Amino acid sequence: QKEVEQDPGPLSVPEGAIVSLNCTYSNSAFQYFMWYRQYSRKGPELLMYTYSSGNKEDGRFTAQVDKSSKYISLFIRDSQPSDSATYLCAMPQGAQKLVFGQGTRLTINP
Amino acid sequence: DAGVTQSPTHLIKTRGQQVTLRCSPKSGHDTVSWYQQALGQGPQFIFQYYEEEERQRGNFPDRFSGHQFPNYSSELNVNALLLGDSALYLCASSLGQRPTDTQYFGPGTRLTVL
Repeated sequence: QKEVEQDPGPLSVPEGAIVSLNCTYSNSAFQYFMWYRQYSRKGPELLMYTYSSGNKEDGRFTAQVDKSSKYISLFIRDSQPSDSATYLCAMPQGAQKLVFGQGTRLTINP
Repeated sequence: DAGVTQSPTHLIKTRGQQVTLRCSPKSGHDTVSWYQQALGQGPQFIFQYYEEEERQRGNFPDRFSGHQFPNYSSELNVNALLLGDSALYLCASSLGQRPTDTQYFGPGTRLTVL
């Protein structure tokens, strides 16, 4: 079993829809939960991170963590074609060793 | 301000050969990490360098080695290449080694082993 599981999709939604992306993890020692976005032919870029259970909002993006269920989510409101990318959840293990999910490929259709 | 740069962009090698990939961190960053991203998969941590020493290592064989130079740039070396080493190799840099110190990724080097 992988430490971090993520549905690879692909996920295709119309512009303006609310998108929900999810990951589950097995290591209860994970304390920080990150979401990265990776455009085609680019490296991942950090969108946001959370520390504890609960919600964190940044513009159109909301990250949600449920430590009791070992389940994290990223919601995108008013989705735009420019949001089309692969979204990766990641958790640091130790200092900075990031453990990534497989990534979910998202397409927003105009 | 240039971000993380990597060279070369693409590379084709044959089985058994050796390869060296290079990374220049974001200006002012002192920590460099390397990741391997197979097609359709998330990145996997190879190792991290700080103060010219390997600080953390992922589950990769000794064929994978690295180096960090005094100017913080870094190299990843892979010996005795296997077909399974074909992947996108990503370099990430950060200022500091706390879990919350943002890692900035370069565009990667696409390695194809034939």
